[in-house]
Amino acid sequence: DGGITQSPKYLFRKEGQNVTLSCEQNLNHDAMYWYRQDPGQGLRLIYYSQIVNDFQKGDIAEGYSVSREKKESFPLTVTSAQKNPTAFYLCASSPRTGAFTGELFFGEGSRLTVL
Amino acid sequence: RKEVEQDPGPFNVPEGATVAFNCTYSNSASQSFFWYRQDCRKEPKLLMSVYSSGNEDGRFTAQLNRASQYISLLIRDSKLSDSATYLCAIAGGTSYGKLTFGQGTILTVHP
Repeated sequence: DGGITQSPKYLFRKEGQNVTLSCEQNLNHDAMYWYRQDPGQGLRLIYYSQIVNDFQKGDIAEGYSVSREKKESFPLTVTSAQKNPTAFYLCASSPRTGAFTGELFFGEGSRLTVL
Repeated sequence: RKEVEQDPGPFNVPEGATVAFNCTYSNSASQSFFWYRQDCRKEPKLLMSVYSSGNEDGRFTAQLNRASQYISLLIRDSKLSDSATYLCAIAGGTSYGKLTFGQGTILTVHP
């Protein structure tokens, strides 16, 4: 079945370590996104990419990095510069043809806890 | 002021009740509006789009008020299965697919 796969689902890391979250999609979507969700704060956009080899910062990009070398993959690295990395991370994708329908296809998320 | 604001609730209603949520936005240039539903510890899923003329999908009605810069979601005849967090999402139009989400409104429907 087509969809978005995020891994790992749960991740524990020590403070100061870099962490890379995987996001793979087989929906043939051009656009991909990373959101962070904290309790009571909804979803906040970290980075997004509308096409391979191109990406833009979202609202809270500091302490994060991404790459988009392949259409189906958009990994997110949480670096040691991110002051409060414990959160629920959601990857999403959308097609980039025609009018935007508003539908982002989300993965099941990765829950990162920094000890 | 946040770009998109919602009352976080929680809203606790009995089965069969009618409940409404509002979501205000600050950018008058916002072009597209949506409601998402998120179950506990799950990913959000698109519930419905919000059109200028309003739209209805079964027990759910969404409306847009551009003059006052808010959108609303009305749920009639609430079911236990409606219990979830409802997120409004707004697209500004400058970057394709870039959505700004509200913090979400928690709804609990009880027997």
